[in-house]
Amino acid sequence: GAVVSQHPSRVICKSGTSVKIECRSLDFQATTMFWYRQFPKQSLMLMATSNEGSKATYEQGVEKDKFLINHASLTLSTLTVTSAHPEDSSFYICSASRFQETQYFGPGTRLLVL
Amino acid sequence: DAKTTQPNSMESNEEEPVHLPCNHSTISGTDYIHWYRQLPSQGPEYVIHGLTSNVNNRMASLAIAEDRKSSTLILHRATLRDAAVYYCILSTDSNYQLIWGAGTKLIIKP
Repeated sequence: GAVVSQHPSRVICKSGTSVKIECRSLDFQATTMFWYRQFPKQSLMLMATSNEGSKATYEQGVEKDKFLINHASLTLSTLTVTSAHPEDSSFYICSASRFQETQYFGPGTRLLVL
Repeated sequence: DAKTTQPNSMESNEEEPVHLPCNHSTISGTDYIHWYRQLPSQGPEYVIHGLTSNVNNRMASLAIAEDRKSSTLILHRATLRDAAVYYCILSTDSNYQLIWGAGTKLIIKP
């Protein structure tokens, strides 16, 4: 299967700071990338869908000004959590797909906001 | 979005086959059936997907009912490494979004 990486794997930051998470498709060109959030003992929640070269489509209830998504190339998407607060602490997971084929997931980034 | 229903948890013995059921009675004609699994603190891993016909790959088999209102993921010989939460998900080919349910926690007993 295709390989998707995320960086960093875990990050601790102070409240009020911004954190950037990178998602890369290593061996294929991803026309679409997805960002999910997962709280402990819960399922994945889709945050936004991002197509290369266009603005991301956010799910209802997800603030686009707080969770900035950039998908500038076919192999890289970034999620920036701006002015992070403790309630933003979660497991953030990206996935990538090519022409609406199977989604391949990254290993996730655990964010802890103090 | 179409929804799926799975048992909360299942137990199986190591080296025995495992049949994980999924009900999707409101599935539409263009919905694909996907299975992913997730180990603790890891991203989900693709297992298998299908539309109408049964599917086999190196990881598992997917048996789809004739009316497509249910499906079964079959692990032919479970190992301890197969212990995970298994998600059965439907998606349309129009937007390919995956809407995640609670999944089935599979426990493998040695």
